[in-house]
Amino acid sequence: AQSVTQPDARVTVSEGASLQLRCKYSYFGTPYLFWYVQYPRQGLQLLLKYYPGDPVVQGVNGFEAEFSKSNSSFHLRKASVHWSDWAVYFCAVSMINNNAGAKLTFGGGTRLTVRP
Amino acid sequence: NSKVIQTPRYLVKGQGQKAKMRCIPEKGHPVVFWYQQNKNNEFKFLINFQNQEVLQQIDMTEKRFSAECPSNSPCSLEIQSSEAGDSALYLCASSRYSGNTLYFGEGSRLIVV
Repeated sequence: AQSVTQPDARVTVSEGASLQLRCKYSYFGTPYLFWYVQYPRQGLQLLLKYYPGDPVVQGVNGFEAEFSKSNSSFHLRKASVHWSDWAVYFCAVSMINNNAGAKLTFGGGTRLTVRP
Repeated sequence: NSKVIQTPRYLVKGQGQKAKMRCIPEKGHPVVFWYQQNKNNEFKFLINFQNQEVLQQIDMTEKRFSAECPSNSPCSLEIQSSEAGDSALYLCASSRYSGNTLYFGEGSRLIVV
């Protein structure tokens, strides 16, 4: 069965510092991977997605992520964090099943706090 | 801003009451999903549709929840008899086709008192 682990439930960084949020997945086959962000009292917004191809994918607002098959990882990075990045970040993996659609399995989320 | 429109944003129901939420998927997206997000940020898949057809649903959805995606009308998710454990954020998502990226709405937050 597929699964996603986000080892860090909470991360705190200073504004302007670099950021890495970790994501490890377990999946048999080639995964489709996603990072979503959830701002307070809002739904999920797509940051970026990985479909098989270039392992480094660019997303919105300066975010990027790197897929590693050998490490079963899909870590999210940002060079310089802004206060508006304060949110909860979810990594997700998609299982392609012709009978069930692209059902997403989510990690537990990482709550990012940005210090001024 | 999300192009998946969910209403209402909040609803408060007593135990045993019906709770109904609606979702208008993004234009051109025939695939619709419903997820439940609890206070611990755990996501539970509830049901998905392709056009008006149910693709898959979990047992809970079959028994106490009803959902539909009629043509030319919003999709809906209804809890027949709300329980305290149903308090959660209900997220609707749509995609262009099975296997594509899911785009989520803002969610409907249900509080069962």
